[in-house]
Amino acid sequence: DTAVSQTPKYLVTQMGNDKSIKCEQNLGHDTMYWYKQDSKKFLKIMFSYNNKELIINETVPNRFSPKSPDKAHLNLHINSLELGDSAVYFCASSRSGQGYNSPLHFGNGTRLTVT
Amino acid sequence: DAKTTQPNSMESNEEEPVHLPCNHSTISGTDYIHWYRQLPSQGPEYVIHGLTSNVNNRMASLAIAEDRKSSTLILHRATLRDAAVYYCILRDETGGGADGLTFGKGTHLIIQP
Repeated sequence: DTAVSQTPKYLVTQMGNDKSIKCEQNLGHDTMYWYKQDSKKFLKIMFSYNNKELIINETVPNRFSPKSPDKAHLNLHINSLELGDSAVYFCASSRSGQGYNSPLHFGNGTRLTVT
Repeated sequence: DAKTTQPNSMESNEEEPVHLPCNHSTISGTDYIHWYRQLPSQGPEYVIHGLTSNVNNRMASLAIAEDRKSSTLILHRATLRDAAVYYCILRDETGGGADGLTFGKGTHLIIQP
C-alpha cells in the first residue's frame, strides 16, 4: 500500500487557470506538508498543517492555499497559475508532538507545467 | 534550523563503502541530525537520524562526532540504487515537528559500476 499518494502525477495547464493537487496518507499521521522543488532542484517547504495550526512559509503567494477535509488529506489549490509555478510539488506527512522526531514520509510528486 | 554544509557531489564505486560528510558547527543541544535521500524522479526518503550516539539501521550507519559539529553517513556497500542526492538536516526536537524539514543543496552521490 502506498503510504503517501498524490494525484495527478503530471499536470499540464495554461496560465491563468485554477488547479488542485490531491494528497492522501494512510499512516495515521497528524501533520501534513507541501513542498515545492523548482528546476534547480531546491526543495522548499510551503505549508505544514495539523489539526491545531497552519504554518505558512511567508514567501508563498496567497494564490496557493491548502485545504484539509480530514486528517488523512491535504489538498493544494492554486489560483491564477503563472509560468513560475511550474515545478514538482511533494506532499509529506509525519507524526508530531512535543519531543517527537518522527520521519517525514513523502509522496512521489506532482509535476506541474504551466504553459 | 541550524545550517549544514555538505560537498556538492561525491563519486564511489559499486560494492564499496561510502562516507558522506556533513558539517554543522552551529548545532544546538536539542537539534537532531537527520539524513534523507532523493532518488531520481522520486520524493525524498528518510534514511536515519540521531542525537549524540552513533546509529545503525538496515539502510545505513550514522557516525556523530563527539562535539556534534559534524557527522558522517555511511553506506556500507553501495549499489547502483544508492545513487541519489543525500541531505543532512538538523531538526530541533523541541519544535514538536510541525515545522517540517529545511532542505539544503545536499550531496549528489554518483555510483560507478
